[in-house]
Amino acid sequence: GIQVEQSPPDLILQEGANSTLRCNFSDSVNNLQWFHQNPWGQLINLFYIPSGTKQNGRLSATTVATERYSLLYISSSQTTDSGVYFCAARTITDSWGKLQFGAGTQVVVTP
Amino acid sequence: DAGVIQSPRHEVTEMGQEVTLRCKPISGHNSLFWYRQTMMRGLELLIYFNNNVPIDDSGMPEDRFSAKMPNASFSTLKIQPSEPRDSAVYFCASSATGTSGRTEQFFGPGTRLTVL
Repeated sequence: GIQVEQSPPDLILQEGANSTLRCNFSDSVNNLQWFHQNPWGQLINLFYIPSGTKQNGRLSATTVATERYSLLYISSSQTTDSGVYFCAARTITDSWGKLQFGAGTQVVVTP
Repeated sequence: DAGVIQSPRHEVTEMGQEVTLRCKPISGHNSLFWYRQTMMRGLELLIYFNNNVPIDDSGMPEDRFSAKMPNASFSTLKIQPSEPRDSAVYFCASSATGTSGRTEQFFGPGTRLTVL
């Protein structure tokens, strides 16, 4: 099946700093999602981005499907950005919407 | 519109007891997914349904686990008998699935299960 790898595994940021999280996937995809799992355990949808670039406030994401990677940008980080960021992908050969998750990037934003 | 609804949010039970977790997917979604999350194994897909039919249950750990989807608006995950190693957060998610079009998956708040 499709492999999804995220980097870095851990990230410590000073409040106000910018950062980039990366997601590599091993097959062609028709769904690529970024999630944020907050410290209370909720999985929040950030982006549905099988290709192209999207922005939502201080967060933006870019997926280059032909090169099989996606990037999540966090600008002017805040302590509320802490948590785990997951990338998940669906291969084009899947008929049912099954997502393969990466292992996540643990982000800690310090005041 | 309401998101994915799960109940209970927390469950504490004793080893050997039956546990039933419930999920109501987003209205109009035709795919439903059950996941388990632990520190050791991360997020695992247990089973998923499409149009109420189980498609792949290869992630179900063992026969003690079973899942049903009697209709488009309700699913259950049952553990009988429960064991301490089943302690985890169980998530339900849903999406509208087809061979084309948007298939964004949305997660419920999860059920935190503790088996003593």
